[in-house]
Amino acid sequence: EPEVTQTPSHQVTQMGQEVILRCVPISNHLYFYWYRQILGQKVEFLVSFYNNEISEKSEIFDDQFSVERPDGSNFTLKIRSTKLEDSAMYFCASGTSDYEQYFGPGTRLTVT
Amino acid sequence: QLLEQSPQFLSIQEGENLTVYCNSSSVFSSLQWYRQEPGEGPVLLIALYKAGELTSNGRLTAQFGITRKDSFLNISASIPSDVGIYFCAGGYNNNDMRFGAGTRLTVKP
Repeated sequence: EPEVTQTPSHQVTQMGQEVILRCVPISNHLYFYWYRQILGQKVEFLVSFYNNEISEKSEIFDDQFSVERPDGSNFTLKIRSTKLEDSAMYFCASGTSDYEQYFGPGTRLTVT
Repeated sequence: QLLEQSPQFLSIQEGENLTVYCNSSSVFSSLQWYRQEPGEGPVLLIALYKAGELTSNGRLTAQFGITRKDSFLNISASIPSDVGIYFCAGGYNNNDMRFGAGTRLTVKP
């Protein structure tokens, strides 16, 4: 059964550094998403992406964040200058419609 | 756009039925139920997008409220592997999905 994959599984970075989190969505999906989950808290929406552009973003997704679909298979989230409070699990999700989303296993980002 | 889930914690005996509730003052375009285990991503259980829709997936049944502001998830004949955190997530305009705070389920054998 096809699934969303994410790399790396764990990323440790120093404050102020740039990080790129990578996702490979399910191949026939058209809608792509990034979420984050701070330890012990709920899942928070960051951004949705459809037809090669951002369709919606939350208040969390400020100028430090950007997304890209550089080729036909990858979907990336870049954080330009990481802060301590960016430490969280970051989940990528994809779907064939905006009603169903399938999540990847997540990337644990630790900012020191 | 706040989604309220109840109960926050639920501990039941194996074989019992349970219901988790989700409601908001806002109208959703869609409503999904997910289960998450520690260290893993949420897994989609049921997706609802029609007002009043009642859908089953094995031992799971969920309904989308007629006003599109609420939903419930029922699990019948619980088993130990049902443990996890159950989230509802409501879809708003343009693919914006907001999650509830989750219900932590424990099933005692």
